[in-house]
Amino acid sequence: SQQGEEDPQALSIQEGENATMNCSYKTSINNLQWYRQNSGRGLVHLILIRSNEREKHSGRLRVTLDTSKKSSSLLITASRAADTASYFCATALIQGAQKLVFGQGTRLTINP
Amino acid sequence: DTAVSQTPKYLVTQMGNDKSIKCEQNLGHDTMYWYKQDSKKFLKIMFSYNNKELIINETVPNRFSPKSPDKAHLNLHINSLELGDSAVYFCASSQDGTGSSPLHFGNGTRLTVT
Repeated sequence: SQQGEEDPQALSIQEGENATMNCSYKTSINNLQWYRQNSGRGLVHLILIRSNEREKHSGRLRVTLDTSKKSSSLLITASRAADTASYFCATALIQGAQKLVFGQGTRLTINP
Repeated sequence: DTAVSQTPKYLVTQMGNDKSIKCEQNLGHDTMYWYKQDSKKFLKIMFSYNNKELIINETVPNRFSPKSPDKAHLNLHINSLELGDSAVYFCASSQDGTGSSPLHFGNGTRLTVT
């Protein structure tokens, strides 16, 4: 099984609504990162949250981290059609932090 | 433009052939990576290099051989291609290899082996 698993696998909402994606992981981390991948493109880094942080904001993005539950969530507020993409969490482990371990992503579709 | 660029974008070839994918970054980063993304979007690290030195080699068949002529380039050579090698291969770089700096990805090379 994977270190990082996103939930749900797919999410479809109306433009203007908020989108929440979750990530769970198994072993202790140094930090957790969220990335976006548009169709046919490479991943783009969105936000990094360290293990001693609980919440971080960047524009319309809000990331939370609960190390006791080994989980993180990504909230996109006031969604736009351009937010349609796959979203991945990636964990940098305490042991072997050089290697970012990615989940399988959440496919987000924003309907106009 | 500052970026990670990889070529070719598409690669269609027959089983048994040998092919290479090239990657260059002009971000001044010390660490470069190869990731493989399968049809289910699962992204898995294959290799990482830091200043031309191999750091991570993730149980990849030895048909895959990375080569880093300098810290701005990391190429991937694949011998005796198999059907299961079909995937999207991503090159990435980071400022350092500690996991504390974000990865910058190229746009991928879609490899199809027939």
